[in-house]
Amino acid sequence: GAVVSQHPSRVICKSGTSVKIECRSLDFQATTMFWYRQFPKQSLMLMATSNEGSKATYEQGVEKDKFLINHASLTLSTLTVTSAHPEDSSFYICSARGRSEQFFGPGTRLTVL
Amino acid sequence: KNEVEQSPQNLTAQEGEFITINCSYSVGISALHWLQQHPGGGIVSLFMLSSGKKKHGRLIATINIQEKHSSLHITASHPRDSAVYICAVGNSGGGADGLTFGKGTHLIIQP
Repeated sequence: GAVVSQHPSRVICKSGTSVKIECRSLDFQATTMFWYRQFPKQSLMLMATSNEGSKATYEQGVEKDKFLINHASLTLSTLTVTSAHPEDSSFYICSARGRSEQFFGPGTRLTVL
Repeated sequence: KNEVEQSPQNLTAQEGEFITINCSYSVGISALHWLQQHPGGGIVSLFMLSSGKKKHGRLIATINIQEKHSSLHITASHPRDSAVYICAVGNSGGGADGLTFGKGTHLIIQP
């Protein structure tokens, strides 16, 4: 089946630094990628929808200047958490939409000290 | 916005038991997904369905569009089935919408 990778799988950073997370579709082209966030013991929540070559669409309550999304190619989307703070510590998951299905990446666990 | 409710929240069963997890949603959807999340957090897509029934190995997923309800069944459950099972729906209306997720069902299968 289709594969989506994320890098890094785990990152620990100091408060105030920026962290970039990559999401790649390995064997298919994804015109749309989604970024989700999951806080402990809570359900996944959609943060933003990323379309190749255009600006991302952010869900209500998600700061677009803090969570920068770039979808420069059909196989790569990046999420940059700028000036990260401890409250940004979470599990970030991307998914890539193929022709009809969504395929999920393995996730990135971000810990901000 | 769609409301997705799963039941039960937690389920502990003995190896070999037949397992049923339920999912209800509030408005029309384009498709429903059943996902499996392991302790490390990684997610595996089990099924995507928009009508009827699908079967893969010991897993069966059904959906009733009229009743806005889906079930995930596991036959001959095994400890390796222990995970969080998440129901997620894509909203109807076209477009590449992100999913709305249920809170998940934490399943433990004891040997």
